[in-house]
Amino acid sequence: DAGVIQSPRHEVTEMGQEVTLRCKPISGHNSLFWYRQTMMRGLELLIYFNNNVPIDDSGMPEDRFSAKMPNASFSTLKIQPSEPRDSAVYFCASSPRDSTDTQYFGPGTRLTVL
Amino acid sequence: EDKVVQSPLSLVVHEGDTVTLNCSYEVTNFRSLLWYKQEKKAPTFLFMLTSSGIEKKSGRLSSILDKKELSSILNITATQTGDSAIYLCAVRVGGGTSYGKLTFGQGTILTVHP
Repeated sequence: DAGVIQSPRHEVTEMGQEVTLRCKPISGHNSLFWYRQTMMRGLELLIYFNNNVPIDDSGMPEDRFSAKMPNASFSTLKIQPSEPRDSAVYFCASSPRDSTDTQYFGPGTRLTVL
Repeated sequence: EDKVVQSPLSLVVHEGDTVTLNCSYEVTNFRSLLWYKQEKKAPTFLFMLTSSGIEKKSGRLSSILDKKELSSILNITATQTGDSAIYLCAVRVGGGTSYGKLTFGQGTILTVHP
């Protein structure tokens, strides 16, 4: 079975540019989560969706960040404009209906903003 | 604000040693506690605990939850170099099956020397 798929795996961009990260959850999973991981702050939940609807976006750092889930098999996290402090690894995770409380993580996107 | 604290932050041992990692939490509406192992990639699921006093075991790893003390421990016996990783504790909070929000601790970095 394919796990959570994220793209790109690595992204290097210049400050001020728009960055779009993509995620395909595991088929049949109805919850999707975006996390950011840095050395300083550890793993932080940014936003999560249930049945394509954003349930909690309180972790989104500021208006430069936005996330969408247009259908059950695709989500995007966009940063516009990007800043060097956005450099981090961004993980997407999904969990199944009638969740066993486990979340399955994608491989992550390592973002570097110069 | 929900809080999850892990200790120690880092640990260096030799192969064959037994280690105990700690996780304590202060959250509202606790649902479950999860342990993850993270090597040079995404976190992978180890255990989910919901009931006090019931040990979960997988090979050399075991974990138990104490709801009275608001804590959990993760034990690793006869450690191997392949156990070197960051061990993350997370607590699931919220109400209803549609909630899956996880609050993570800062992690314990375990290094096992040959």
